[in-house]
Amino acid sequence: GAGVSQSPSNKVTEKGKDVELRCDPISGHTALYWYRQSLGQGLEFLIYFQGNSAPDKSGLPSDRFSAERTGGSVSTLTIQRTQQEDSAVYLCASSRTGVAGNTIYFGEGSWLTVV
Amino acid sequence: GQQLNQSPQSMFIQEGEDVSMNCTSSSIFNTWLWYKQDPGEGPVLLIALYKAGELTSNGRLTAQFGITRKDSFLNISASIPSDVGIYFCAGQTLTDSWGKLQFGAGTQVVVTP
Repeated sequence: GAGVSQSPSNKVTEKGKDVELRCDPISGHTALYWYRQSLGQGLEFLIYFQGNSAPDKSGLPSDRFSAERTGGSVSTLTIQRTQQEDSAVYLCASSRTGVAGNTIYFGEGSWLTVV
Repeated sequence: GQQLNQSPQSMFIQEGEDVSMNCTSSSIFNTWLWYKQDPGEGPVLLIALYKAGELTSNGRLTAQFGITRKDSFLNISASIPSDVGIYFCAGQTLTDSWGKLQFGAGTQVVVTP
């Protein structure tokens, strides 16, 4: 597609339920990133994919968070047993490669509310 | 956690005025980036800086990579209504991978006619 596409754009879930957030990067981009943005805050790095591998997942806040990428394209971020503090906007981004200097393009985000 | 201090937190300015914001870090950065985020949108890259001392312009925007590699500023000249939004600085440390950026908390800019 023309840009990074994320779905759903909004999700309200009950505490304790699992959620899946999907990211479709720009076609041909081998590097993919997930960030989290809490209300009024800057972005917080979660995980980086190069192809289907995740060389850096140091930002995942707990073992309830996991992500995978298949076919070098679509990625899914899964949050198990959601908690209220998981409420945030989850932003996906991609770049042509993971080499410094490649512009990182962000999607519009998935707004998650845990009630 | 975040190592970047971005200021000011918000600015209310009149159309035509200049805007200045800055970021400081406790770590040395390889790269400084400045992004703008509109409501309901993802951040969009404005300017990228790769060398200490580098001064780069993009239209009415000017940004500099500090000599110490621990700070950067962004100036917007002759502000217009569409400059409204949240501006974020972001940086990559010497040891982190390219996409592992650290972000400031943002500067909210409001432009009044």
